Parts: sequence; structure tokens; C-alpha cells
Amino acid sequence: QKEVEQNSGPLSVPEGAIASLNCTYSDRGSQSFFWYRQYSGKSPELIMSIYSNGDKEDGRFTAQLNKASQYVSLLIRDSQPSDSATYLCAVNPRGSTLGRLYFGRGTQLTVWP
Amino acid sequence: SQTIHQWPATLVQPVGSPLSLECTVEGTSNPNLYWYRQAAGRGLQLLFYSVGIGQISSEVPQNLSASRPQDRQFILSSKKLLLSDSGFYLCAWSVRTGDSPLHFGNGTRLTVT
Repeated sequence: QKEVEQNSGPLSVPEGAIASLNCTYSDRGSQSFFWYRQYSGKSPELIMSIYSNGDKEDGRFTAQLNKASQYVSLLIRDSQPSDSATYLCAVNPRGSTLGRLYFGRGTQLTVWP
Repeated sequence: SQTIHQWPATLVQPVGSPLSLECTVEGTSNPNLYWYRQAAGRGLQLLFYSVGIGQISSEVPQNLSASRPQDRQFILSSKKLLLSDSGFYLCAWSVRTGDSPLHFGNGTRLTVT
């Protein structure tokens, strides 16, 4: 069973703060990791991909990967009300040549003005 | 650039009626194709995936079926809908390599009454 766990939230932060979203996964051999943002009633949108240990920054978003501890996190700096959404963590397990991703249930983020 | 089209956007169907949802991808060849379902308050559930024309793998046995009559066309069908088939249906594609993210269509909101 390949599991991806996220805190369901809701996580509530004030505008301008740093939002920290966490995700753990069970398959130690997982190779690639993704964060998706899903607005209410909309489809998931890819916002970050990370493949190696360490940090990857893209604008206000930073993804952090620690394969030894089997967790991946997403930091959102200078949070804006428009960041209010559900954030899905997705993992591509070891040996998957099909691009089959396992998704967490998502963390609901609310950024209040 | 690649685009994915999915239709219809919303659908209300009575129990026992048939279903056909269609998805097409443009701007890429030989994509992996996927059908996911997201029930209210739940995570993404992979229903079917396909690595080529006529090649369909099912993740969850149920009254749904999928077909891939052309390289960039993926169809989800049912002969008789159940109330439990209600949900948000998402088509997605990825490139053939094993570490690629999924890219989702806009989804179909299906309500079975």
C-alpha cells in the first residue's frame, strides 16, 4: 500500500504570513514529488515538482524534500487571499514507469486579509 | 503547447442511465491518459489509465469502463449509472517517462439523481 498523508486542515494564516504544508509518504523508493493547487470546484493545477533532496524555489513557493525522513513540504511566502485553496501532495513511487501518481487527500488553506 | 479538453463540464443523469465522458489531448503524441474521480470530501481515486490505443488498465472494479479509440482520445463510459457514481471526474495526461507530473482537464461534475 503506497500511502500519502497530509493534514487535512483547515490551515488558516493571515495575509503576508508563511504557510507551511506538509506531506509524508510510505514508499521509501519514491522518486518524484509534486504539489497541486485545487480551487473549490476546479481541477488540480500543478504548481511545483521536486526530484532531489533539498529545496526548490519558484517565486513565493518553496518545495522541500527529505527522502531519508520521507516527507515533502510546501512553503508559501507572503501568503495572499488568492492562495486560499486545497493543496494536494502527489508522489510517484519507485518503479513506476507509467507516471501513476498517488495523491494525498489535500490540505485546505485559508489566507485571511 | 499541450492542452487537454474534457466535456461536458456538468452533467445530471438519472440512476440507470448510460454515461459517456470524453477527453482529448492536443500538442503531444503517445501520452499516458488517466481517469480520476474525486468524491465530495475525498481524495483523488484513479479509475483507469492507458499507455496506448486500446490499452486500458483498471484500478477499481466497478460499473465504469474506459476506451482509447485514438492516441489522444480517452472515453469513460457506463451502461447504468448508480447513485454512488456521482462525483467530479478528471481526465489527465502525462508524457511517457515515469517521473512526469499529470496535467488535468477541467473536469466533469456528475450528479446522479
